[in-house]
Amino acid sequence: GEDVEQSLFLSVREGDSSVINCTYTDSSSTYLYWYKQEPGAGLQLLTYIFSNMDMKQDQRLTVLLNKKDKHLSLRIADTQTGDSAIYFCAESATGGSYIPTFGRGTSLIVHP
Amino acid sequence: DTGVSQDPRHKITKRGQNVTFRCDPISEHNRLYWYRQTLGQGPEFLTYFQNEAQLEKSRLLSDRFSAERPKGSFSTLEIQRTEQGDSAMYLCASSSGLAGTGNGELFFGEGSRLTVL
Repeated sequence: GEDVEQSLFLSVREGDSSVINCTYTDSSSTYLYWYKQEPGAGLQLLTYIFSNMDMKQDQRLTVLLNKKDKHLSLRIADTQTGDSAIYFCAESATGGSYIPTFGRGTSLIVHP
Repeated sequence: DTGVSQDPRHKITKRGQNVTFRCDPISEHNRLYWYRQTLGQGPEFLTYFQNEAQLEKSRLLSDRFSAERPKGSFSTLEIQRTEQGDSAMYLCASSSGLAGTGNGELFFGEGSRLTVL
Protein backbone atom coordinates (compact mmCIF):
# COMPACT_ATOMS: atom_id res chain seq x y z
CA GLY A 1 0.00 0.00 0.00
CA GLU A 2 1.57 3.20 -1.12
CA ASP A 3 -0.39 5.13 1.50
CA VAL A 4 0.86 3.11 4.43
CA GLU A 5 4.57 2.70 5.12
CA GLN A 6 6.34 0.27 7.42
CA SER A 7 9.89 -0.84 7.94
CA LEU A 8 10.41 -4.31 6.51
CA PHE A 9 12.29 -6.12 9.26
CA LEU A 10 12.70 -6.12 13.02
CA SER A 11 14.84 -8.51 15.03
CA VAL A 12 14.58 -8.78 18.82
CA ARG A 13 15.62 -11.13 21.60
CA GLU A 14 13.04 -13.20 23.41
CA GLY A 15 11.78 -11.35 26.46
CA ASP A 16 12.54 -7.89 25.07
CA SER A 17 9.90 -5.45 23.87
CA SER A 18 9.25 -5.04 20.15
CA VAL A 19 8.10 -1.80 18.62
CA ILE A 20 6.77 -1.86 15.07
CA ASN A 21 6.16 1.50 13.43
CA CYS A 22 3.83 2.63 10.67
CA THR A 23 3.11 5.93 8.94
CA TYR A 24 0.10 6.74 6.84
CA THR A 25 -0.84 9.63 4.62
CA ASP A 26 -4.62 9.90 4.66
CA SER A 27 -5.62 12.54 7.17
CA SER A 28 -9.20 11.30 7.08
CA SER A 29 -8.20 7.87 8.36
CA THR A 30 -10.73 6.83 10.92
CA TYR A 31 -9.61 3.34 11.97
CA LEU A 32 -6.11 1.95 12.12
CA TYR A 33 -5.38 -1.73 12.44
CA TRP A 34 -2.66 -4.21 13.17
CA TYR A 35 -2.92 -7.61 11.52
CA LYS A 36 -0.61 -10.58 12.05
CA GLN A 37 0.28 -13.16 9.42
CA GLU A 38 2.01 -16.37 10.42
CA PRO A 39 3.61 -18.59 7.76
CA GLY A 40 1.00 -20.41 5.70
CA ALA A 41 -1.87 -18.76 7.51
CA GLY A 42 -4.30 -15.97 6.74
CA LEU A 43 -4.05 -12.50 8.21
CA GLN A 44 -5.53 -12.21 11.67
CA LEU A 45 -6.65 -8.99 13.33
CA LEU A 46 -4.62 -8.24 16.45
CA THR A 47 -6.06 -4.91 17.46
CA TYR A 48 -7.41 -1.67 16.10
CA ILE A 49 -7.68 1.92 17.27
CA PHE A 50 -10.13 4.65 16.42
CA SER A 51 -8.59 7.89 15.27
CA ASN A 52 -9.84 9.90 18.25
CA MET A 53 -7.81 7.73 20.62
CA ASP A 54 -4.13 8.13 21.50
CA MET A 55 -3.49 4.75 23.02
CA LYS A 56 -5.01 1.34 23.38
CA GLN A 57 -3.67 -1.48 25.53
CA ASP A 58 -4.61 -5.12 25.28
CA GLN A 59 -2.56 -7.51 27.42
CA ARG A 60 0.97 -7.51 25.92
CA LEU A 61 0.00 -5.19 23.09
CA THR A 62 0.07 -1.40 23.23
CA VAL A 63 -0.98 0.72 20.28
CA LEU A 64 0.06 4.35 20.16
CA LEU A 65 -1.40 6.80 17.66
CA ASN A 66 0.06 10.22 16.89
CA LYS A 67 -2.57 11.67 14.60
CA LYS A 68 -0.65 14.90 14.02
CA ASP A 69 2.34 13.01 12.63
CA LYS A 70 0.18 10.23 11.14
CA HIS A 71 2.26 7.69 13.03
CA LEU A 72 1.07 4.43 14.51
CA SER A 73 3.08 1.99 16.57
CA LEU A 74 2.56 -1.46 18.00
CA ARG A 75 4.51 -2.44 21.09
CA ILE A 76 4.70 -6.09 22.08
CA ALA A 77 5.90 -6.58 25.63
CA ASP A 78 7.88 -9.67 26.63
CA THR A 79 8.20 -10.81 23.02
CA GLN A 80 8.09 -14.57 22.56
CA THR A 81 9.32 -16.77 19.72
CA GLY A 82 5.67 -17.42 18.90
CA ASP A 83 5.32 -13.73 18.05
CA SER A 84 7.57 -14.22 15.02
CA ALA A 85 5.37 -13.29 12.07
CA ILE A 86 4.66 -10.51 9.61
CA TYR A 87 2.74 -7.58 11.08
CA PHE A 88 0.64 -5.42 8.80
CA CYS A 89 -0.53 -1.93 9.54
CA ALA A 90 -3.78 -0.93 7.83
CA GLU A 91 -5.93 2.16 7.71
CA SER A 92 -9.42 2.92 6.56
CA ALA A 93 -10.97 6.25 5.71
CA THR A 94 -14.28 7.63 4.60
CA GLY A 95 -12.76 8.63 1.27
CA GLY A 96 -11.84 5.03 0.59
CA SER A 97 -15.27 3.66 1.40
CA TYR A 98 -13.74 2.34 4.62
CA ILE A 99 -11.96 -0.43 2.72
CA PRO A 100 -8.71 -1.12 4.58
CA THR A 101 -5.43 -0.21 2.88
CA PHE A 102 -2.49 -2.29 4.05
CA GLY A 103 1.20 -1.57 4.41
CA ARG A 104 3.89 -3.91 3.13
CA GLY A 105 4.29 -5.61 6.47
CA THR A 106 7.10 -5.81 9.02
CA SER A 107 8.72 -9.18 9.46
CA LEU A 108 9.39 -9.69 13.18
CA ILE A 109 12.08 -12.23 14.01
CA VAL A 110 12.42 -13.23 17.65
CA HIS A 111 15.70 -14.84 18.68
CA PRO A 112 15.82 -17.17 21.70
CA ASP B 1 -13.86 -25.37 10.73
CA THR B 2 -16.07 -22.30 10.34
CA GLY B 3 -13.42 -19.92 9.01
CA VAL B 4 -13.00 -18.55 5.51
CA SER B 5 -11.95 -21.26 3.10
CA GLN B 6 -10.37 -20.86 -0.30
CA ASP B 7 -9.88 -23.34 -3.11
CA PRO B 8 -7.54 -24.29 -4.63
CA ARG B 9 -4.67 -23.44 -2.31
CA HIS B 10 -2.19 -23.60 -5.15
CA LYS B 11 -2.61 -23.29 -8.89
CA ILE B 12 0.10 -23.50 -11.54
CA THR B 13 -0.97 -22.58 -15.04
CA LYS B 14 0.48 -21.63 -18.35
CA ARG B 15 0.27 -18.12 -19.66
CA GLY B 16 -2.94 -17.57 -21.58
CA GLN B 17 -5.02 -20.08 -19.63
CA ASN B 18 -8.04 -19.18 -17.54
CA VAL B 19 -8.17 -19.85 -13.80
CA THR B 20 -10.94 -19.65 -11.25
CA PHE B 21 -10.67 -19.36 -7.48
CA ARG B 22 -13.44 -19.99 -5.01
CA CYS B 23 -14.02 -18.46 -1.61
CA ASP B 24 -16.46 -19.65 1.03
CA PRO B 25 -16.87 -16.94 3.67
CA ILE B 26 -17.98 -17.37 7.25
CA SER B 27 -21.64 -18.28 6.84
CA GLU B 28 -23.24 -15.35 8.62
CA HIS B 29 -21.00 -12.73 6.99
CA ASN B 30 -22.68 -10.72 4.26
CA ARG B 31 -19.56 -8.83 3.17
CA LEU B 32 -16.83 -10.44 1.09
CA TYR B 33 -13.54 -8.99 -0.11
CA TRP B 34 -10.87 -10.06 -2.56
CA TYR B 35 -7.30 -8.88 -2.14
CA ARG B 36 -4.11 -9.72 -4.00
CA GLN B 37 -0.73 -10.08 -2.30
CA THR B 38 2.59 -10.32 -4.10
CA LEU B 39 5.89 -11.24 -2.49
CA GLY B 40 7.08 -8.57 -0.10
CA GLN B 41 3.91 -6.51 -0.43
CA GLY B 42 0.84 -6.07 1.66
CA PRO B 43 -2.62 -7.10 0.48
CA GLU B 44 -3.99 -4.90 -2.31
CA PHE B 45 -7.74 -4.48 -2.58
CA LEU B 46 -9.41 -5.91 -5.67
CA THR B 47 -13.17 -5.96 -5.10
CA TYR B 48 -15.91 -6.09 -2.50
CA PHE B 49 -19.39 -7.61 -2.29
CA GLN B 50 -22.25 -6.92 0.02
CA ASN B 51 -24.49 -9.94 -0.31
CA GLU B 52 -24.61 -10.58 -4.08
CA ALA B 53 -23.95 -6.98 -5.10
CA GLN B 54 -20.44 -6.03 -6.20
CA LEU B 55 -20.10 -2.58 -4.67
CA GLU B 56 -16.46 -1.65 -5.21
CA LYS B 57 -13.82 -2.53 -7.78
CA SER B 58 -10.20 -1.46 -7.72
CA ARG B 59 -8.50 -0.15 -10.83
CA LEU B 60 -6.22 -3.16 -10.36
CA LEU B 61 -9.12 -5.31 -11.53
CA SER B 62 -8.54 -5.30 -15.27
CA ASP B 63 -11.14 -6.55 -17.71
CA ARG B 64 -9.50 -9.97 -17.61
CA PHE B 65 -10.66 -10.32 -14.01
CA SER B 66 -14.24 -11.03 -13.05
CA ALA B 67 -15.72 -11.79 -9.67
CA GLU B 68 -19.15 -13.05 -8.77
CA ARG B 69 -21.13 -13.89 -5.70
CA PRO B 70 -24.31 -15.21 -7.24
CA LYS B 71 -26.30 -16.13 -4.16
CA GLY B 72 -24.61 -13.93 -1.64
CA SER B 73 -22.69 -16.85 -0.17
CA PHE B 74 -19.57 -18.20 -1.90
CA SER B 75 -17.67 -16.10 -4.43
CA THR B 76 -15.53 -16.86 -7.45
CA LEU B 77 -12.69 -14.87 -8.95
CA GLU B 78 -11.86 -15.70 -12.53
CA ILE B 79 -8.78 -14.55 -14.39
CA GLN B 80 -8.88 -14.94 -18.15
CA ARG B 81 -5.83 -15.14 -20.42
CA THR B 82 -3.46 -15.20 -17.48
CA GLU B 83 -0.19 -13.30 -17.64
CA GLN B 84 2.98 -13.82 -15.64
CA GLY B 85 2.26 -10.62 -13.78
CA ASP B 86 -0.88 -12.24 -12.37
CA SER B 87 1.27 -14.54 -10.23
CA ALA B 88 0.33 -13.71 -6.65
CA MET B 89 -1.56 -14.89 -3.61
CA TYR B 90 -5.26 -14.15 -3.93
CA LEU B 91 -6.82 -13.54 -0.55
CA CYS B 92 -10.47 -13.63 0.35
CA ALA B 93 -11.86 -12.06 3.50
CA SER B 94 -15.32 -11.70 4.97
CA SER B 95 -16.88 -9.53 7.61
CA SER B 96 -20.23 -9.05 9.29
CA GLY B 97 -19.89 -5.31 9.71
CA LEU B 98 -18.55 -2.69 7.36
CA ALA B 99 -14.82 -3.30 6.96
CA GLY B 100 -12.84 -0.37 8.14
CA THR B 101 -15.11 0.29 11.07
CA GLY B 102 -14.90 -0.87 14.61
CA ASN B 103 -17.07 -3.90 14.07
CA GLY B 104 -15.81 -4.65 10.60
CA GLU B 105 -13.00 -7.04 11.40
CA LEU B 106 -11.85 -8.82 8.27
CA PHE B 107 -11.50 -12.57 8.60
CA PHE B 108 -9.05 -13.81 5.99
CA GLY B 109 -8.72 -17.17 4.34
CA GLU B 110 -5.33 -18.77 3.80
CA GLY B 111 -5.23 -17.64 0.20
CA SER B 112 -4.93 -19.19 -3.24
CA ARG B 113 -1.45 -19.00 -4.68
CA LEU B 114 -1.29 -18.58 -8.45
CA THR B 115 1.85 -19.24 -10.45
CA VAL B 116 1.73 -18.39 -14.15
CA LEU B 117 4.50 -19.97 -16.20
